[in-house]
Amino acid sequence: NAGVTQTPKFQVLKTGQSMTLQCAQDMNHNSMYWYRQDPGMGLRLIYYSASEGTTDKGEVPNGYNVSRLNKREFSLRLESAAPSQTSVYFCASSEGGRSNQPQHFGDGTRLSIL
Amino acid sequence: QKEVEQNSGPLSVPEGAIASLNCTYSDRGSQSFFWYRQYSGKSPELIMFIYSNGDKEDGRFTAQLNKASQYVSLLIRDSQPSDSATYLCAVNIRWNQGGKLIFGQGTELSVKP
Repeated sequence: NAGVTQTPKFQVLKTGQSMTLQCAQDMNHNSMYWYRQDPGMGLRLIYYSASEGTTDKGEVPNGYNVSRLNKREFSLRLESAAPSQTSVYFCASSEGGRSNQPQHFGDGTRLSIL
Repeated sequence: QKEVEQNSGPLSVPEGAIASLNCTYSDRGSQSFFWYRQYSGKSPELIMFIYSNGDKEDGRFTAQLNKASQYVSLLIRDSQPSDSATYLCAVNIRWNQGGKLIFGQGTELSVKP
């Protein structure tokens, strides 16, 4: 039972490059989330998808786009990477769209922008 | 005031002692509360969660809610060195027409043998 799978696990980019972080869950969850975690800042929500076909901005959406490809997959795209986007990115999923359901996290992607 | 606050620690306890971790929140309407454990370099792992209707005990872990004072606690009995990690509190707050989870910055726990 894989749970939430993120790829890649590590990535180094140059400023201005683009890339897509992939996330897939096999728990038949309706809702999926993208967070970034920075020292001293905790986990901050970038975007979320309450259900297939919907996406919405979180606290720190600038510089990112997302796609809910189907119920299983939710991708995060950096169109023009900036050093401020150096972070650890976590994808999570939960059963329902309301925040009273526990979220389950993937292993994370460690992204460095030079 | 931050929406969810935790003492960053480190909180150091001897092996076998009770570790008490606290989290305060600002939204009186919050109804669900989550505790995650995060080892260094790893992802957050859900330990337990409670709703506003009561406390919960699961093995060595107990989560308690004090609605009047707006804080939630995690007690770890018989602490083990393997419990050494950062503990994240997450609280649902009302947002738009639904809600969202807000995470505290985490409390680092160190259990000394």
